[in-house]
Amino acid sequence: NAGVTQTPKFQVLKTGQSMTLQCAQDMNHEYMSWYRQDPGMGLRLIHYSVGAGITDQGEVPNGYNVSRSTTEDFPLRLLSAAPSQTSVYFCASRLTGGSYEQYFGPGTRLTVT
Amino acid sequence: GENVEQHPSTLSVQEGDSAVIKCTYSDSASNYFPWYKQELGKGPQLIIDIRSNVGEKKDQRIAVTLNKTAKHFSLHITETQPEDSAVYFCAAKAGGSYIPTFGRGTSLIVHP
Repeated sequence: NAGVTQTPKFQVLKTGQSMTLQCAQDMNHEYMSWYRQDPGMGLRLIHYSVGAGITDQGEVPNGYNVSRSTTEDFPLRLLSAAPSQTSVYFCASRLTGGSYEQYFGPGTRLTVT
Repeated sequence: GENVEQHPSTLSVQEGDSAVIKCTYSDSASNYFPWYKQELGKGPQLIIDIRSNVGEKKDQRIAVTLNKTAKHFSLHITETQPEDSAVYFCAAKAGGSYIPTFGRGTSLIVHP
């Protein structure tokens, strides 16, 4: 199993540009989520999904859009990038029941100039 | 919603010493408390977790304790080694929540 994969690893955007951060998992996990990590702020939840076709907002959803058309993929869209969205983004997944362990991807470092 | 406070933000110890990281939570309905370790340039990885029906759990050099009455839990690392240097996150999850809430992280530095 590849686990949770994220692309790209690094990205530089100009203010106002849009882009999609990709996340995929091959563990048949129902739950998937997106976090951003900023210095001193820990991991803040952006959006999450409990299954294909079901998404919900987390703590900091503004400026981001998600959809979940398949169990495997959970892309994060930045509609109009702003410097405040400069951050490291992590995708995570887990099973519905049993262990609550979340499996994190390697992250995408995004810089918005 | 749940609020998780984590202290200290930075912890520096000598190799072989013990390290303790403390977290408090606000939601008395929280019943699952994981700890994640994040090495430089990588995503966080679960190292140990505890559920609310247990007061303490050990796994080799790491242990977690939970005080439900006081709503705090702690990570204890004994005989620290340089490879323990990383950022550690605590989290808390209520029974009705899908996703845990994370603390702000502790940067542990173990000096050889």
